[in-house]
Amino acid sequence: AQSVSQHNHHVILSEAASLELGCNYSYGGTVNLFWYVQYPGQHLQLLLKYFSGDPLVKGIKGFEAEFIKSKFSFNLRKPSVQWSDTAEYFCAVMGHGKIIFGKGTRLHILP
Amino acid sequence: DARVTQTPRDKVTEMGQEVTMRCQPILGHNTVFWYRQTMMQGLELLAYFRNRAPLDDSGMPKDRFSAEMPDATLATLKIQPSEPRDSAVYFCASGSGGSNTEAFFGQGTRLTVV
Repeated sequence: AQSVSQHNHHVILSEAASLELGCNYSYGGTVNLFWYVQYPGQHLQLLLKYFSGDPLVKGIKGFEAEFIKSKFSFNLRKPSVQWSDTAEYFCAVMGHGKIIFGKGTRLHILP
Repeated sequence: DARVTQTPRDKVTEMGQEVTMRCQPILGHNTVFWYRQTMMQGLELLAYFRNRAPLDDSGMPKDRFSAEMPDATLATLKIQPSEPRDSAVYFCASGSGGSNTEAFFGQGTRLTVV
């Protein structure tokens, strides 16, 4: 069975700071990996996804993630955050058709 | 604009009552997921279906929860009897079911059991 671990539960940054959110997964087969974002009071929306190919994946709103197979990691990055990036971020792994989510990281950006 | 539709958006019910949550997946999607979101547990996968057949419902408390897909355009999640600990936001998501699918989420049903 697959599992996902997100290292940081709560991150506070100032605007224009760089962001990196950690995600490690556990799964024995070929994985599909995702980052979703949930703005306050809203549903989850896809930020980016990795299925195969280039391990550096670019998503919406300036986010990117790097798949490092040897480390079982899929960290999310953004060079310069904005106040509007305040949200909860979820890493997820798909295996055998099932999508499992990490517990999420709450990101708070100070204006 | 294709979207997953969930009803009701909010539900307040008394302990012991039956609760039914409905989900209309995106047309053409053959995979449906049910998740429960709480502060303590985060997003838990309760069940998922492909082509209307349940593939995995191991995350669901069997004694009171049931999930079905009466047809390709409707998925239901029932709780009977409901308990205060069932209070959570329940999300439905659908996907195309291919090897490179992603999950598209509905707006969720916020359930409060008093």
